[in-house]
Amino acid sequence: QVQLVESGGGLVKSGGSLRLSCAASGFTFSDFYMSWIRQAPGKGLEWISFITSSGTYTKYADSVRARFTISRDNAKNSLYLQIYSLRAEDTAVYYCAREAGDLGFDFWGQGTPVTVSS
Amino acid sequence: QSMLTQPPSTSGTPGQRVTISCSGSSSNIGSNVVNWYQQLPGTAPKRLINSNDQRPSGVPARFSGSKSGTSASLAISGLQSEDEADYHCAAWDDSLNTWVFGGGTQLTVL
Repeated sequence: QVQLVESGGGLVKSGGSLRLSCAASGFTFSDFYMSWIRQAPGKGLEWISFITSSGTYTKYADSVRARFTISRDNAKNSLYLQIYSLRAEDTAVYYCAREAGDLGFDFWGQGTPVTVSS
Repeated sequence: QSMLTQPPSTSGTPGQRVTISCSGSSSNIGSNVVNWYQQLPGTAPKRLINSNDQRPSGVPARFSGSKSGTSASLAISGLQSEDEADYHCAAWDDSLNTWVFGGGTQLTVL
């Protein structure tokens, strides 16, 4: 069965960096676009980045562009999100999700929490 | 501020029918399909409706979706206590070339 398992979240000071990982299994990882989506405490979902199946093209929300870098290693069935210059407003649960085109995000991980302290 | 607009909350009693609206613009809902996600308390979101009105395997027929112009709706008939959750709409935006979400609607079953 499809599984997505995020890791790497934690408590970090403002201005710090963090690398989130998402381990995929149960499907051909290299066939799918992947996204990172976050949810701040008590707020709605915010899409922040996607990467194409080969990794050649990436896209970011304006709120994170230039501070976040998405990447993937298809040989390791893994998705990554490198976060720089963390701010308080980056405090959220970060989810990785598999994209199925118009069918939306058909599978989600359990999320990894990131807390930024001042 | 979310690109898609949803009511923050709604409620209903068991057995009742409730609807949740999702309003967008010509560049997102007006041009692309809408997907809905259910988020039970303390859990990750789960896809509930895709392509405006299609239910993925395993989603009860009580859940239905529709779209008209730049708005979409999720309807839940025969409301059950386990339907108490947050519901989120989403669509691709052709102007931003990004996915956009609504702010989410918290459904309370009284």
